[in-house]
Amino acid sequence: SAVISQKPSRDICQRGTSLTIQCQVDSQVTMMFWYRQQPGQSLTLIATANQGSEATYESGFVIDKFPISRPNLTFSTLTVSNMSPEDSSIYLCSVQGGRSYEQYFGPGTRLTVT
Amino acid sequence: GQQVMQIPQYQHVQEGEDFTTYCNSSTTLSNIQWYKQRPGGHPVFLIQLVKSGEVKKQKRLTFQFGEAKKNSSLHITATQTTDVGTYFCAGMKAAGNKLTFGGGTRVLVKP
Repeated sequence: SAVISQKPSRDICQRGTSLTIQCQVDSQVTMMFWYRQQPGQSLTLIATANQGSEATYESGFVIDKFPISRPNLTFSTLTVSNMSPEDSSIYLCSVQGGRSYEQYFGPGTRLTVT
Repeated sequence: GQQVMQIPQYQHVQEGEDFTTYCNSSTTLSNIQWYKQRPGGHPVFLIQLVKSGEVKKQKRLTFQFGEAKKNSSLHITATQTTDVGTYFCAGMKAAGNKLTFGGGTRVLVKP
């Protein structure tokens, strides 16, 4: 399994500003994922981030709003740009297991936009 | 696009009783995975099923993958308070691809 940390763990931001969330893994991984989870809801995939290539975004999510960086095999960032209260959510990063396809999740970043 | 549905959405269980949660995919899956998320926590991987008709057990938890590889179930026997949380199934359409999560079953245990 992988150990994943995220920063910040929570933040309260003003409308119109941007927040960058960091995801650090304790081992090298190929595939990293960013999810959004509204309170009491399921997980919605935002994008898949592979090192050395552009992130692949899911329907309803665009790069201008959620730019992602993946500079190496242990680190990724997700920026939530020009935030509105609708962006208030928990943002989770995950990585895929090496031999099999299970995912390991970070502790999440709880974002509140006022 | 691919959809994964889970029922029930909520499950109130008396401690010691059994219950089952069901997962159905709109498409045939390469594999299905189950995760547990405790209140205030993040999803934690429980198990992966790959073969048609596969059954796997983890102590009081029994996981099953349907013959058509489109549905799955999780059965918990003798429910304990430690079983509280939300159980998600997640389907993978092609090996190594992304996961599509079901809506989850939130389990509450009455002592």
